[in-house]
Amino acid sequence: KQEVTQIPAALSVPEGENLVLNCSFTDSAIYNLQWFRQDPGKGLTSLLLIQSSQREQTSGRLNASLDKSSGRSTLYIAASQPGDSATYLCAGGWSNFGNEKLTFGTGTRLTIIP
Amino acid sequence: DAGVTQSPTHLIKTRGQQVTLRCSPKSGHDTVSWYQQALGQGPQFIFQYYEEEERQRGNFPDRFSGHQFPNYSSELNVNALLLGDSALYLCASSFEVNTEAFFGQGTRLTVV
Repeated sequence: KQEVTQIPAALSVPEGENLVLNCSFTDSAIYNLQWFRQDPGKGLTSLLLIQSSQREQTSGRLNASLDKSSGRSTLYIAASQPGDSATYLCAGGWSNFGNEKLTFGTGTRLTIIP
Repeated sequence: DAGVTQSPTHLIKTRGQQVTLRCSPKSGHDTVSWYQQALGQGPQFIFQYYEEEERQRGNFPDRFSGHQFPNYSSELNVNALLLGDSALYLCASSFEVNTEAFFGQGTRLTVV
C-alpha cells in the first residue's frame, strides 16, 4: 500500500529565509510526484511535477527533488515571502496506466513571518 | 484559458438528501478525477473518469457515483447523505499519461 507522509505538520519561518519542505513515501516504484499549494478553504494549485525519470524540477524560487531509492522528495523555497504562506501538499502516482489516482500527504502548513 | 471549474462553490444539505456536484475540465483535458478532503486532511481519491467510463475507484461506498459527458465534463452524485460526508470536494483534470493534474477550487459541502 502506497502511503505519503509530510513532517512537520506546521512550520514558521522568518521572511527572506530559504526553507525545505519534506515528503516521504513508502513505495519506491513511484511513477511521478507532484507538489501543490493550498490556501485556506481553496482548491489546489499545482507547483511542480517530477517524473520518475527526473531528479528535480525548478520553477522560479521553487525547486523540487525526487529520490526514489530513499523514498523522499523535498520542496525548496528560496527567499521566502509572506505570500508563500499556505499549506503545501505532495502527492504520488504509482501507475503508468494513464494518470490514475494521486495519493496525498496531509500537508505542511507554512507561515512566513514578516 | 479557463482552468478547472466547479459548481456550486458552497452547498448545504440535510442528512439523507442527495447532491450533485459538477466539474468542467481544463481545455484539452479528457480525464476527470474526484477527491474528498476533510478538514485538516489530504485529499482522498474517490474515482476517475476517462472516455465516459469509471476507470478506477477509491475506497468509497456505492452512495458515491459519477458520470462523464461527451464534452468531458463530469458530475459527482452522493446519495443518502451522512454528516460525515461534509467536506471539500475537489475535481482534477489531466490529459494522457503522466501529465500534470490541475485542480478546481472545490465545492464545500456541509451536511446538517
